[in-house]
Amino acid sequence: AQKVTQAQTEISVVEKEDVTLDCVYETRDTTYYLFWYKQPPSGELVFLIRRNSFDEQNEISGRYSWNFQKSTSSFNFTITASQVVDSAVYFCALSEEGDYKLSFGAGTTVTVRA
Amino acid sequence: AAGVIQSPRHLIKEKRETATLKCYPIPRHDTVYWYQQGPGQDPQFLISFYEKMQSDKGSIPDRFSAQQFSDYHSELNMSSLELGDSALYFCASSLSPGMIQETQYFGPGTRLLVL
Repeated sequence: AQKVTQAQTEISVVEKEDVTLDCVYETRDTTYYLFWYKQPPSGELVFLIRRNSFDEQNEISGRYSWNFQKSTSSFNFTITASQVVDSAVYFCALSEEGDYKLSFGAGTTVTVRA
Repeated sequence: AAGVIQSPRHLIKEKRETATLKCYPIPRHDTVYWYQQGPGQDPQFLISFYEKMQSDKGSIPDRFSAQQFSDYHSELNMSSLELGDSALYFCASSLSPGMIQETQYFGPGTRLLVL
């Protein structure tokens, strides 16, 4: 069963609009780790942010912010004032305690138009 | 900052041939992970190594094997290649798994095409 669900397949926005990517996860562990990775057209996987399950503080890093809600098992990611260079596939990933591999969602393709 | 290095970046092989992919982790990282990403798919975990020992195994075919060497670099050996093995192969590295999970940093990937 898929542990990470990214319901949005594709999102298209105009530059400077905000983009919010949804991620819902499933785990029975009380300790787990959530990540967002970006895969631009060039193909590499770039680490963006991480959140530990025992820390619910939501943060902002530059144009990126995230909303971790344990009650709804969601870990949403927002890009503020999007730019063309933000065009990429964004993956949400889960790692459970003692199981160090990453389980990825299907990814959301973000297209930012000038 | 130094990143994960993978070689080769592109590889073309015929069916039933063998291929060896190499991964050099970020300095001081002693844990290596291999993932396979098919076209339009999300990355799937294959295998991982910590301190030269296999630490976890995912959906890796029996035709594939991997190891980690004393300098912490890793090699993924693929034999009897099939058309379905065409994919982007990522290596990731991290610091030692400890009290909390360490972040995995990915290399640029090796794009394998099997004809």
